[in-house]
Amino acid sequence: EVVLTQSPGTLSLSPGERATLSCRASQSVSNYLAWYQQRPGQAPRLLIYDASSRATGSPDRFSGSGSGTDFALTISRLEPEDFAVYYCQQYGNSKTFGQGTTVEIK
Amino acid sequence: EVQLVESGGGLVQPGGSLRLSCAASGFSFSKNWMSWVRQAPGKGPEWVANIKEDGRTKNYVDSVKGRFTIFRDNAKNSVYLQMNSLRAEDTAVYYCARDVGHGHDYWGQGTLVTVSS
Repeated sequence: EVVLTQSPGTLSLSPGERATLSCRASQSVSNYLAWYQQRPGQAPRLLIYDASSRATGSPDRFSGSGSGTDFALTISRLEPEDFAVYYCQQYGNSKTFGQGTTVEIK
Repeated sequence: EVQLVESGGGLVQPGGSLRLSCAASGFSFSKNWMSWVRQAPGKGPEWVANIKEDGRTKNYVDSVKGRFTIFRDNAKNSVYLQMNSLRAEDTAVYYCARDVGHGHDYWGQGTLVTVSS
């Protein structure tokens, strides 16, 4: 099983700041990695797929990078609605999710 | 508008069974893979199973193999998850989601399954 480790567990930032979230895979998944946002009481929402492609409706302040085992999600300028939990998911070898990074208001 | 509506969750005793349903609308259901994804309280999501457009190919996470069965009825635009031999660790919100290969782009609102005596 491919294990995804996300860091940090919690990111405390202010609106307008830049956020960088990390996801590391236990073995290479090529670029088969997606990022999701989950707000309280809601289902996850697909933001990024294939490591760096934005999903339909995903704002352009969200960008993804990386390949192999190391990936990042960057939010260029945090909007109030961006404070949420973010998960990475790999689909190169079955499908697994990371444990999540919470982006909270500082 | 794409809609996925799950039903069938509830409280069940360990060892019991439950069948979840998901009714889809707003897209060509018969041309899409579908998945079930679950999320235990306070945890990250866990992909459970998926099924190909024609229902002939199914994949499962190891922890549910032999206990859960995914199937679909394209005439009813519905996908199902039959869950047998339920355990406490199966307690979660279960979501159905459209599986586009590079992720899950549409999700339902989820249905809660609680396994407890």
